[in-house]
Amino acid sequence: DAKTTQPNSMESNEEEPVHLPCNHSTISGTDYIHWYRQLPSQGPEYVIHGLTSNVNNRMASLAIAEDRKSSTLILHRATLRDAAVYYCILRSWGKLQFGAGTQVVVTP
Amino acid sequence: GAGVSQSPRYKVAKRGQDVALRCDPISGHVSLFWYQQALGQGPEFLTYFQNEAQLDKSGLPSDRFFAERPEGSVSTLKIQRTQQEDSAVYLCASSSRGSMNTEAFFGQGTRLTVV
Repeated sequence: DAKTTQPNSMESNEEEPVHLPCNHSTISGTDYIHWYRQLPSQGPEYVIHGLTSNVNNRMASLAIAEDRKSSTLILHRATLRDAAVYYCILRSWGKLQFGAGTQVVVTP
Repeated sequence: GAGVSQSPRYKVAKRGQDVALRCDPISGHVSLFWYQQALGQGPEFLTYFQNEAQLDKSGLPSDRFFAERPEGSVSTLKIQRTQQEDSAVYLCASSSRGSMNTEAFFGQGTRLTVV
């Protein structure tokens, strides 16, 4: 399975944007890039996903590099409720393969 | 309910005991996944069903772990002769299709503690 690399942690001030990078240099042509987040004591929650084009939804934006070897999740205005572990996942044929994720800390 | 429901939320088992963990997926969802999450780690894939067919069980750590989904809806993860290293949160997820272009919905998990 293709692997992703993320920083262990990132810190942001409240109401500032957060840019979470993810490297996936071994991505295959059919892999979708998914992002999930996990709040303490909760199951993972879907954030966004894409294949080639940048994507926007009410939670975040996903910017995908032209060669698809990296992507960035953008939280436009961080709130305290955005403090969570964010997972970048390459989804191939059904299953989601999680890595260690990035712990996002939001300070007021 | 509207979401994925797992029961029990917490389970304490004595070493050597058998346990059964239940997952009620979102109604009509074709795909169902089980994951194991140790403290401080990301979820680890265990197994995947499409309807009643178990298409991938490559993540099950040993033959003490068994999962079933006989009617293509509710699923049960069974662990026989539990050991301390089985202590973890067990997460269930479902999605409406089996494709890669679909989001998965997770339950809150069952926290298993083996003493």
